[in-house]
Amino acid sequence: DQQVKQNSPSLSVQEGRISILNCDYTNSMFDYFLWYKKYPAEGPTFLISISSIKDKNEDGRFTVFLNKSAKHLSLHIVPSQPGDSAVYFCAASSTSGTYKYIFGTGTRLKVLA
Amino acid sequence: EAQVTQNPRYLITVTGKKLTVTCSQNMNHEYMSWYRQDPGLGLRQIYYSMNVEVTDKGDVPEGYKVSRKEKRNFPLILESPSPNQTSLYFCASSLSFDRVGGYTFGSGTRLTVV
Repeated sequence: DQQVKQNSPSLSVQEGRISILNCDYTNSMFDYFLWYKKYPAEGPTFLISISSIKDKNEDGRFTVFLNKSAKHLSLHIVPSQPGDSAVYFCAASSTSGTYKYIFGTGTRLKVLA
Repeated sequence: EAQVTQNPRYLITVTGKKLTVTCSQNMNHEYMSWYRQDPGLGLRQIYYSMNVEVTDKGDVPEGYKVSRKEKRNFPLILESPSPNQTSLYFCASSLSFDRVGGYTFGSGTRLTVV
């Protein structure tokens, strides 16, 4: 059972436009969420996080939105740049759960110049 | 430079031949973990360690062993590899199971078992 789902395996966006990557989760106990970015032949790198006490967190061009009632989070990248082309993973964890993050399957973003 | 180092980066081996993938971090992190990445399945946790001599199973531990004799090292051992363990493996660490900032990942080990 996939507790964290990224239903779009890929996404193409024109440079300068907004990229929106989506993530859904099923476990209502999840209270902390992260986004990672992964380039080919490299390990994932941390991008941005959000706690369930917030509904938005912003860091430069990256904003994560959390809708707890819908069990949905999204990552917005504005403006998108060719260097943003990568695979993006969302991950979730629970304060009362085991010591791990559950990762989604990833979305491959391609930003077209 | 603060980093997690995995070796080897690429490995092709035969079924049943024991192998070890090493992982070392230079950040004095307490928490370390192994993940495997497979198409359509994302990153799945194999084992994790909260500190020296403290390890526990993740979601897919079958066929793997780990040890944590020193804080900096967390090797992944495949006693008798099988083709279904062909995958991309990542080691990760963090100061504790501290949610801020998540993990630092290594660059990955691509393992092929034939």
